[in-house]
Amino acid sequence: EVQLVESGGGLVQPGRSLRLSCAASGFTFDDYAMHWVRQAPGKGLEWVSGISWSSGSIGYADSVKGRFTISRDNAKNSLYLQMNSLRAEDTALYYCAKAVGETSFGTRLDYWGQGTLVTVSS
Amino acid sequence: QSALTQPASVSGSPGQSITISCTGHSSDVNGYNFVSWYQQHPGKAPKLMIHDVSDRPSGVSNRFSGSKSGNTASLTISGLQAEDEADYYCSSYTSSSTYVFGAGTKVTVL
Repeated sequence: EVQLVESGGGLVQPGRSLRLSCAASGFTFDDYAMHWVRQAPGKGLEWVSGISWSSGSIGYADSVKGRFTISRDNAKNSLYLQMNSLRAEDTALYYCAKAVGETSFGTRLDYWGQGTLVTVSS
Repeated sequence: QSALTQPASVSGSPGQSITISCTGHSSDVNGYNFVSWYQQHPGKAPKLMIHDVSDRPSGVSNRFSGSKSGNTASLTISGLQAEDEADYYCSSYTSSSTYVFGAGTKVTVL
C-alpha cells in the first residue's frame, strides 16, 4: 500500500524558514517523480514544486521560485521542501504527491499524503 | 502559470448527469493530452479520478468520464449519487514542465 506521510509543518513568523518532509513507503521511491501541492484555507489546489526521480529535473511555481527548494533522498525514501523567507500567503496545507506518467515530472499525481499545515503569522 | 478556468459550482439531482468544464491555454490543455481530474471531499486529500483526458484509474467508477476539445476539457458524472458531492479540480501538465490546477468546482447533489 502506498503511503505518503508529511511532517514539519507548524506556526512560523514571516521571514523565517521551515523544512517539510515526506516519508514514502509501499512503492519503489526512486522510480518516480514527486511533487508538493498546497491548499490555502478554504481555497483551491496550487502546484508548488516537483522533482524527477534522479533530481535531474526540478521545477517551481513562480510564487515560490527563489524562496523554496525541493530535494529528495532516495536512500531514505524521503522528499523535502525547504521554505525560506516565508510570507503570510504561504499559509496552507502542504501535500506531498507521487507522480506517474510519460515526462520526467510525470503527468498526473496518483497518490497524495494527508498534508502538513504551515501557518505564517506574527 | 495562469490557472485553468472552472465554474465555481455545478449541481444536479440524483441520477442526473452533470458536466464540469476546464478551460486552459495552448501551453497546457490545448497543447497536451495530460489533463487530470481530482475529487476532494471536505478534510480529505485529493483523489485522482481521470488522467490523460479520459482514462480512469483502477477502482474509479465508470460513471466518471473525461473528454477534451481544443483548449477545454470536461468531466462528466453520470448517474449522480450523494457520494459524488465534493470539490473537483482539473489539472494539466504544461510546456514549462510544471503542473497547473483549476480553481475548483463544488458539486452539489440536490
